[in-house]
Amino acid sequence: GENVEQHPSTLSVQEGDSAVIKCTYSDSASNYFPWYKQELGKRPQLIIDIRSNVGEKKDQRIAVTLNKTAKHFSLHITETQPEDSAVYFCAATYEGAQKLVFGQGTRLTINP
Amino acid sequence: KAGVTQTPRYLIKTRGQQVTLSCSPISGHRSVSWYQQTPGQGLQFLFEYFSETQRNKGNFPGRFSGRQFSNSRSEMNVSTLELGDSALYLCASSSLGATNEKLFFGSGTQLSVL
Repeated sequence: GENVEQHPSTLSVQEGDSAVIKCTYSDSASNYFPWYKQELGKRPQLIIDIRSNVGEKKDQRIAVTLNKTAKHFSLHITETQPEDSAVYFCAATYEGAQKLVFGQGTRLTINP
Repeated sequence: KAGVTQTPRYLIKTRGQQVTLSCSPISGHRSVSWYQQTPGQGLQFLFEYFSETQRNKGNFPGRFSGRQFSNSRSEMNVSTLELGDSALYLCASSSLGATNEKLFFGSGTQLSVL
């Protein structure tokens, strides 16, 4: 079955610097890759997603890149701010699966 | 629109008991899925329902079951509770399902098994 590996498990960066989180998936049929952010004590919320027919997608300070050949995708956050501190989950799925396979999560801490 | 509502917010049970968790999706959403969240394992898929039909099931023992009603509300049941069932149980809703669109998560039910 599908497996998603996420690295690093924890990441600490200075405010204003960039943060990168990487995920690798196993099922070549996967074609939808969302990223969810979960603040402490809150519910996960979608922040950005990408489909397999696109190599990169940006939304303000957040971008996601996808390398289908290598089966990995990454989340890039630029100009980090304290409110970016949270746990980030990548996920993968394919048409008809009706489920998301999540990575193990990355706890991102932004240091002032 | 009201968000996804899960009840109860917290539950404390003892080993061997059973528990029922409830999830009310966003109005108009027909897909409801359930995930177990633990510190070590992240979010693990339990099952997904669409229009009262289970479309997919994760790798959990038969003690974990669910159902969906005609109004799209869903329940999950765990029988013969074990210590390892302690976790945050999240439900998520969407119009069509996870492979097509954004999932809206509830706040979860924190289950503690003593």
